[in-house]
Amino acid sequence: EIVLTQSPGTLSLSPGARATLSCRASQSVSSHYLAWYQQKPGQAPRLLIYGTSTRASGIPDRFSGSGSGTDFTLTISRLESEDFAVYYCQQSGSSPWTFGQGTKVEIK
Amino acid sequence: QVQLVQSGAEVKKPGSSVKVSCKASGGTFTKFAISWVRQAPGQGLEYVGRIITIIDVTDYAPKFQGRVTITADKSTSTSYMELSGLTSEDTAIFYCAEDAGISWGQGTLVTVSS
Repeated sequence: EIVLTQSPGTLSLSPGARATLSCRASQSVSSHYLAWYQQKPGQAPRLLIYGTSTRASGIPDRFSGSGSGTDFTLTISRLESEDFAVYYCQQSGSSPWTFGQGTKVEIK
Repeated sequence: QVQLVQSGAEVKKPGSSVKVSCKASGGTFTKFAISWVRQAPGQGLEYVGRIITIIDVTDYAPKFQGRVTITADKSTSTSYMELSGLTSEDTAIFYCAEDAGISWGQGTLVTVSS
């Protein structure tokens, strides 16, 4: 199974700052099958990015994804108050699908 | 956009089974697959398995293989996830999601306690 390792575990930043979240895979993942989710307390996950870099419908353009092979990145260009949450990467190219352990973005 | 509505919270005894439902509306049920994801309290997301509804093919995470059964009833556009041999470690919220990840159910809390 492909293990996804996210770093850092927690990111403490101020509103307006740039956030860079990393997702590293134990084996190569097709870029078509790498997604990012946002989850807030008490809510279901929300799809942000699919296919490594395509924003889901309604997702603001301050969210962007990049990467290939085993290294993927989610960037939030300028953090807004509603962006403080936990973010997960997920691969769906190889069974079983797997998620990273999550990165918490908290207010500094 | 597909809407997914899950069944209500469950409290189960250790060793028993639980069956959670996920009813889809607003889309053609057989045009998408349904995945199931577990989230233990304060923990991350964990893939349980999925069903490709049009052909009733399932895929299960090795961790749950032999203990989980995912089915789909096309007549009611409902997917079911049954987990047997429950232990306290299965206490979690279980989510269903349309395969592309756009639509998620509201989650079902399963509590396993003696």
